[in-house]
Amino acid sequence: QKEVEQDPGPLSVPEGAIVSLNCTYSNSAFQYFMWYRQYSRKGPELLMYTYSSGNKEDGRFTAQVDKSSKYISLFIRDSQPSDSATYLCAMSLSGNTGKLIFGQGTTLQVKP
Amino acid sequence: SQTIHQWPATLVQPVGSPLSLECTVEGTSNPNLYWYRQAAGRGLQLLFYSVGIGQISSEVPQNLSASRPQDRQFILSSKKLLLSDSGFYLCAWISGGYGYTFGSGTRLTVV
Repeated sequence: QKEVEQDPGPLSVPEGAIVSLNCTYSNSAFQYFMWYRQYSRKGPELLMYTYSSGNKEDGRFTAQVDKSSKYISLFIRDSQPSDSATYLCAMSLSGNTGKLIFGQGTTLQVKP
Repeated sequence: SQTIHQWPATLVQPVGSPLSLECTVEGTSNPNLYWYRQAAGRGLQLLFYSVGIGQISSEVPQNLSASRPQDRQFILSSKKLLLSDSGFYLCAWISGGYGYTFGSGTRLTVV
């Protein structure tokens, strides 16, 4: 069993739709959770970072963590064609020194 | 400002040739540095990380090595490339405790 599981997609939605991206993990010791966005042939960029259960909102993006279920989600409201990218979840045991364990990434296409 | 530089962007190398990829960071001191590889359709695999000059930790046995000759320089090397070394190589560093900042990556094709 992989430490972090993420459906690779691809996921295709119409512009304006609400997108839900999810990851499950097996190691209950993970404390920090991140979402990265990666455009084709580019390095990933950090979208959201959280270390507690619950929701964190930033503009059209909401990150949700449920530590009891070992499940994290990223919601994108009013999706735009520019949101088309691969979204990677990542998690670590510690904050500023820890190694990140990544999910496989979900490829999202938002159609105009 | 803090930036990370990675080069070259693209590289095509024959099997058995050597490899040297360089990563440098600016605007910070004593960063934790990481090399990841991303194979086609797969997630990121941690190859090496370094918490200081000359300190290298290897995550997986492989045909690659890493060195950190200076505080803000991290080098990924190979003496003889294999076909299986093809992939997208990413350098990263921890930025203020809020996850990694990645470089722009090097796409390596071994032919």
